[in-house]
Amino acid sequence: AQSVTQPDARVTVSEGASLQLRCKYSYSATPYLFWYVQYPRQGLQLLLKYYSGDPVVQGVNGFEAEFSKSNSSFHLRKASVHWSDSAVYFCAVSPNNNRIFFGDGTQLVVKP
Amino acid sequence: EAAVTQSPRNKVAVTGGKVTLSCNQTNNHNNMYWYRQDTGHGLRLIHYSYGAGSTEKGDIPDGYKASRPSQENFSLILELATPSQTSVYFCASGERGENTLYFGAGTRLSVL
Repeated sequence: AQSVTQPDARVTVSEGASLQLRCKYSYSATPYLFWYVQYPRQGLQLLLKYYSGDPVVQGVNGFEAEFSKSNSSFHLRKASVHWSDSAVYFCAVSPNNNRIFFGDGTQLVVKP
Repeated sequence: EAAVTQSPRNKVAVTGGKVTLSCNQTNNHNNMYWYRQDTGHGLRLIHYSYGAGSTEKGDIPDGYKASRPSQENFSLILELATPSQTSVYFCASGERGENTLYFGAGTRLSVL
């Protein structure tokens, strides 16, 4: 079955530390890949997306993600987190142009 | 900028009552979606639409109906609300062939 897995329900890091949020997918072909962020009491907002080309894609607010075909992964990274990055992060995949499937989300807590 | 507006933002309903959640988008997008968000389940697709007059079942359509009377408006209808439908509901829009979704701020529904 097609799936998106975010293995970490919650990640806690100190402000200024680096961050990696993990995402793995299972599709036969390379799908469109996304990371969305949800701040408290808001809808989801797109951070970045990937379909082809350079496997490292840059997003907003210093976030980037790296696609690995061999590992079927699309991990999100940031070199130095800020307290305002505290939010829930969703990995999502789209095997076609109309349906998007979301992971369960990872709650990021940034400690001062 | 993309704008998706949901109403109401909060709703308390009684078991067995009818509930209508409304969504309006000013992006002129063809595709619209209704998701529900529950702890531990991420976002699950209820219904979606490719344009005015069309509705499609998503992954969890039971107990829900959808209506797309115009390009701008997409409603989710609970004919007989049940406590299991207590959740946060998100509407989203997206252009056909472009998988980026634009989300509303959500409707928090409590069915008592």
